[in-house]
Amino acid sequence: DAGVIQSPRHEVTEMGQEVTLRCKPISGHDYLFWYRQTMMRGLELLIYFNNNVPIDDSGMPEDRFSAKMPNASFSTLKIQPSEPRDSAVYFCATGRGSTNEKLFFGSGTQLSVL
Amino acid sequence: GQQLNQSPQSMFIQEGEDVSMNCTSSSIFNTWLWYKQDPGEGPVLLIALYKAGELTSNGRLTAQFGITRKDSFLNISASIPSDVGIYFCAGRRGAGNNRKLIWGLGTSLAVNP
Repeated sequence: DAGVIQSPRHEVTEMGQEVTLRCKPISGHDYLFWYRQTMMRGLELLIYFNNNVPIDDSGMPEDRFSAKMPNASFSTLKIQPSEPRDSAVYFCATGRGSTNEKLFFGSGTQLSVL
Repeated sequence: GQQLNQSPQSMFIQEGEDVSMNCTSSSIFNTWLWYKQDPGEGPVLLIALYKAGELTSNGRLTAQFGITRKDSFLNISASIPSDVGIYFCAGRRGAGNNRKLIWGLGTSLAVNP
């Protein structure tokens, strides 16, 4: 199994630009989570999906952030417009069924907004 | 949001030493998990605990679900250089819709060969 695949690994952009992060979950996993990691705040859950449906987006910082999961094989996290305080590592993680606490993380996207 | 209290924040030890770290909460949890994060990678699950008092091992790692259900401990015996990384605890309180994990801020472990 290829694991959770995230792209890009690194993204450097200027303030105000749109940023799109991508995630391909492990086949058969019906839960998908987007996390943000910073030194100060640790791992923060932004949003999670079950069977492609957003279940809880209470962690999404503000309207500049949006996430979609058009099918079971793909999800995106978009930031528009980006700001320097959005700089962080963004992780996609997936899980399966009743044991979805056992998360499988991707390698993350290191985002730097200048 | 809520976070778990994880300690120590960092550790620097000699190869071969044993390591202990813990995680506490003011709330009761039904599930405790321990993850390890290597530099440049996402966290990887080490151990999952589901019952109060449960003691589970994974190689040189042993974790316990506290009797009060408000804490958990992770021990690493005979540390080796590849144990270097950040160790995170995570807990879950409920079932059904309340299935989100609450995370600690991590314990950074450095091992001197």
